[in-house]
Amino acid sequence: DSGVTQTPKHLITATGQRVTLRCSPRSGDLSVYWYQQSLDQGLQFLIQYYNGEERAKGNILERFSAQQFPDLHSELNLSSLELGDSALYFCASSGQGMAQIETQYFGPGTRLLVL
Amino acid sequence: AQSVTQLDSHVSVSEGTPVLLRCNYSSSYSPSLFWYVQHPNKGLQLLLKYTSAATLVKGINGFEAEFKKSETSFHLTKPSAHMSDAAEYFCVVSDSRDDKIIFGKGTRLHILP
Repeated sequence: DSGVTQTPKHLITATGQRVTLRCSPRSGDLSVYWYQQSLDQGLQFLIQYYNGEERAKGNILERFSAQQFPDLHSELNLSSLELGDSALYFCASSGQGMAQIETQYFGPGTRLLVL
Repeated sequence: AQSVTQLDSHVSVSEGTPVLLRCNYSSSYSPSLFWYVQHPNKGLQLLLKYTSAATLVKGINGFEAEFKKSETSFHLTKPSAHMSDAAEYFCVVSDSRDDKIIFGKGTRLHILP
């Protein structure tokens, strides 16, 4: 158990809808990262937050957004969902440093299925 | 710019035989290199990490990796495979100057009884 929790574990929704994925980092970790894992694209970094501020952006679509709250939990919002958004979404956290070379601890993921 | 290439998408070995998962990287500066493992329906777990200290890095579950700058490689090895090692393995590169983390496409390790 990494100490990172993600809810929900599974999510089934329809095209055009909007969903919110939630992540609680390990106690004391300031950075939260979001990743998308799909069969065709592999594991892709989406975005990083550090202590409430956006720190780095990867291949995140404009339809997607994220935020990190004062208690350090994070939410990933996916809107206008398309079939191709079906994937496993991981959250990871790392400690006091903001650099991406810090060791990341991954949550169990949220499996999103868009029908 | 950084990149990472995992040379095999699938590797099959018999239980009790050595494991070799290959990874080559490209980095303009001194890289940090990681291996993560993902068991089915689970999140990723750090196996080991290289950050410019000893070139031979020992990780969990008997795995180790050797950083070879001249070959730009960071191959993952284990002397004797166990059935529980069946999983997907990701090689990851990052460097402090570029401060981006790049995941390889993964190698799925199959263990034959």
